[in-house]
Amino acid sequence: QVQLQQWGAGLLKPSETLSLTCAVYGGSLSDFYWTWIRQPPGKGLEWIGEIIHSGGTNYNPSLKSRVSISMDTSKNQFSLNLNSVTAADTAVYYCARRNAFDIWGQGTMVTVSS
Amino acid sequence: SSELTQDPAVSVALGQTVRITCQGDSLRNYYPTWLQQKPGQAPMLVIFGKNNRPSGIPDRFSGSSSGNTASLTITGALAEDEADYYCNSRDSSGKGYVFGTGTKVTVL
Repeated sequence: QVQLQQWGAGLLKPSETLSLTCAVYGGSLSDFYWTWIRQPPGKGLEWIGEIIHSGGTNYNPSLKSRVSISMDTSKNQFSLNLNSVTAADTAVYYCARRNAFDIWGQGTMVTVSS
Repeated sequence: SSELTQDPAVSVALGQTVRITCQGDSLRNYYPTWLQQKPGQAPMLVIFGKNNRPSGIPDRFSGSSSGNTASLTITGALAEDEADYYCNSRDSSGKGYVFGTGTKVTVL
């Protein structure tokens, strides 16, 4: 059974770079697309972007200038970088498998505060 | 702003039927997925494709689509179905994804 485990820094200052990593267990990165989604406190879900095993990516146009998703197939992991963060980027960040979004990581709360 | 619109909240009496709707132009071309999210938890897939349930999702959950509107129906709602529900589909470009605004379901 495929499981996702994610980690990364939970507290950032404005202008810093958010970095999160998601490890895939029980499956291979070579299958499916892999995505990042976020949820500000008390609000709905926002799709950030995705990556496929070939390295191809798609990003939310509203975040495209600041976001980068990459993968390390040797470690079966994929990562999210979001630069120049502001308080508006405070959210729970989730990684997920984009097979109808059927498998999710546990979520990481990221707070941006000076 | 989200390209998929949902009613903010609905309520249903225990054991009764509730329908949650999702409206958006992309639904004319793509089936949505439906996700259930309980407080403090990651979302969970409940319906995908035309009307498919992942393993472990009870058959009281069903999905349908017509035109620009998709629906998730819970037939015989249980207390454990109280949660936020989100639809999801391709965005207007067809390259990305968008989530609906979410519906909070309260079981009375």
